[in-house]
Amino acid sequence: RKEVEQDPGPFNVPEGATVAFNCTYSNSASQSFFWYRQDCRKEPKLLMSVYSSGNEDGRFTAQLNRASQYISLLIRDSKLSDSATYLCVVSGANNLFFGTGTRLTVIP
Amino acid sequence: DTAVSQTPKYLVTQMGNDKSIKCEQNLGHDTMYWYKQDSKKFLKIMFSYNNKELIINETVPNRFSPKSPDKAHLNLHINSLELGDSAVYFCASRPGTGGFRRGYTFGSGTRLTVV
Repeated sequence: RKEVEQDPGPFNVPEGATVAFNCTYSNSASQSFFWYRQDCRKEPKLLMSVYSSGNEDGRFTAQLNRASQYISLLIRDSKLSDSATYLCVVSGANNLFFGTGTRLTVIP
Repeated sequence: DTAVSQTPKYLVTQMGNDKSIKCEQNLGHDTMYWYKQDSKKFLKIMFSYNNKELIINETVPNRFSPKSPDKAHLNLHINSLELGDSAVYFCASRPGTGGFRRGYTFGSGTRLTVV
């Protein structure tokens, strides 16, 4: 079983739409959670950490449900520049585990 | 200033050759990693070093050998390259303390193509 499971998409949404991504993780002992963004042929870059109380960074809101081992990312008012692959990431004992990513394309 | 730099960016080589990829970070981080991203875009941990000591060695063919001459450098040497080794290899680093609060910083990747 994979450590992190994500719907690979693709999600094709119009500009201005709200889109939500979800992922589940298998290790209940995981302590740190993140969303990374990866553009085509580039390295993954940290988008935001995810905290138990939920957190917001501009148009992006992340939620964590430890009981269900579920993480979400909500993007409001989508921009063309949001087009990328979004990776759900969960900590292990000594490293991070990455989901396979959800591909988002924002259409004009 | 590049925080985590990998060289080369692209590497095309024939089956059976031996090649090395180099990684350097100037962030003062204690822990460095090698990840492999295959054609399905799955990022899989290969190795990790903390202050020059190997702490993670996943199920990777022993043709792959990491070397960390100091805590700022982590190189990857691959012997007898095979077609299935074609992938993007990412180096990453993180501070040794503070857990994973700040995640990793990745290098820009080395796209290896074995022909």
